[in-house]
Amino acid sequence: GQQVMQIPQYQHVQEGEDFTTYCNSSTTLSNIQWYKQRPGGHPVFLIQLVKSGEVKKQKRLTFQFGEAKKNSSLHITATQTTDVGTYFCAGLAGNQFYFGTGTSLTVIP
Amino acid sequence: DVKVTQSSRYLVKRTGEKVFLECVQDMDHENMFWYRQDPGLGLRLIYFSYDVKMKEKGDIPEGYSVSREKKERFSLILESASTNQTSMYLCASSFSEGNSPLHFGNGTRLTVT
Repeated sequence: GQQVMQIPQYQHVQEGEDFTTYCNSSTTLSNIQWYKQRPGGHPVFLIQLVKSGEVKKQKRLTFQFGEAKKNSSLHITATQTTDVGTYFCAGLAGNQFYFGTGTSLTVIP
Repeated sequence: DVKVTQSSRYLVKRTGEKVFLECVQDMDHENMFWYRQDPGLGLRLIYFSYDVKMKEKGDIPEGYSVSREKKERFSLILESASTNQTSMYLCASSFSEGNSPLHFGNGTRLTVT
């Protein structure tokens, strides 16, 4: 069945270091969304990518959608303690979103 | 701002009990979803609904049922709770367009003893 794999599962970085999480789908996706879940909170929508090869930026966050629309990445430049949380990708295939397993980011001050 | 409200933040139930988890959204969204979240497994879809009285199975529907009698309310039912249903349950809603973002409730942490 449809699967979206996300790596790494955990990442610890020093404040100021960069961070990247990757998502890979077994099939082509219609679009991909990214969510952030703060500790103790619920997932909150960050952004959506639709086009092949699309790149979007939100301040220090850069999101990419692969050419084949099967993979995506989220890169954070110069992490801050406010970036702490779990980042999920969610790929749309058919009429259903398939969530990645999430990457838990810890930022050490 | 969209509000998705789940009736309980924490719930403790005994094995074999019937459990109702309620979810209400106030944005007239057509779509509603129930996910469970477990460490290392991410969010897994249990059931979803695209319209009133309509439901479709997600990836892990076994042991669960749902009800959507009104557009704003989507209920998850555990007919006979078991310990392996101990989890965080998240309700979400969205507009009908496939590219609409999901809006999540705060979650219900269910413990079955």
